[in-house]
Amino acid sequence: SQELEQSPQSLIVQEGKNLTINCTSSKTLYGLYWYKQKYGEGLIFLMMLQKGGEEKSHEKITAKLDEKKQQSSLHITASQPSHAGIYLCGADLSGAGNMLTFGGGTRLMVKP
Amino acid sequence: EAGVAQSPRYKIIEKRQSVAFWCNPISGHATLYWYQQILGQGPKLLIQFQNNGVVDDSQLPKDRFSAERLKGVDSTLKIQPAKLEDSAVYLCASSLDRQREQFFGPGTRLTVL
Repeated sequence: SQELEQSPQSLIVQEGKNLTINCTSSKTLYGLYWYKQKYGEGLIFLMMLQKGGEEKSHEKITAKLDEKKQQSSLHITASQPSHAGIYLCGADLSGAGNMLTFGGGTRLMVKP
Repeated sequence: EAGVAQSPRYKIIEKRQSVAFWCNPISGHATLYWYQQILGQGPKLLIQFQNNGVVDDSQLPKDRFSAERLKGVDSTLKIQPAKLEDSAVYLCASSLDRQREQFFGPGTRLTVL
């Protein structure tokens, strides 16, 4: 199994609905990064979380790192077609200070 | 500010042939990464450079893959000889230093027939 598990693997939501994507690790998350990828393109950096309990928001996307630092969630409010893509969590699992491990990704489709 | 550049964007080769990918990181970024992303999976780190030195190449199949970063700027990743299972997108990323977020290039999509 992967060190970082994302759930769900895929998600289809109606435009305007809220949704949550989870990233769970069997090890301590020393740093957690969220990226978005569109088909045929590279990864776009969304947010970085480092401290237990930390929460960050950008436009309609909010990410949280739980207190025990083994799980992160990404929440999208009032989804839009522009939110469609693959969401990837990446993590520093060694404490060395940089992100080297990715989850398998969550494929999001937003129906107009 | 220019992003991470990669070329070519697409490459189709036959098995046992050789192929090389090029990456130009964001100016001033000391750390450079090569990832392999197989369809439907997350990226897997192949090699990490700090300036022109290798920091981590533990997941690089060294019998067929090689990478270099001469002068601590551009980098090339080579596969020789290619196998069918090497079909993937090869992503290059760079960061200001090892503790900062990584910025990714568009990737090179390799198909091995």
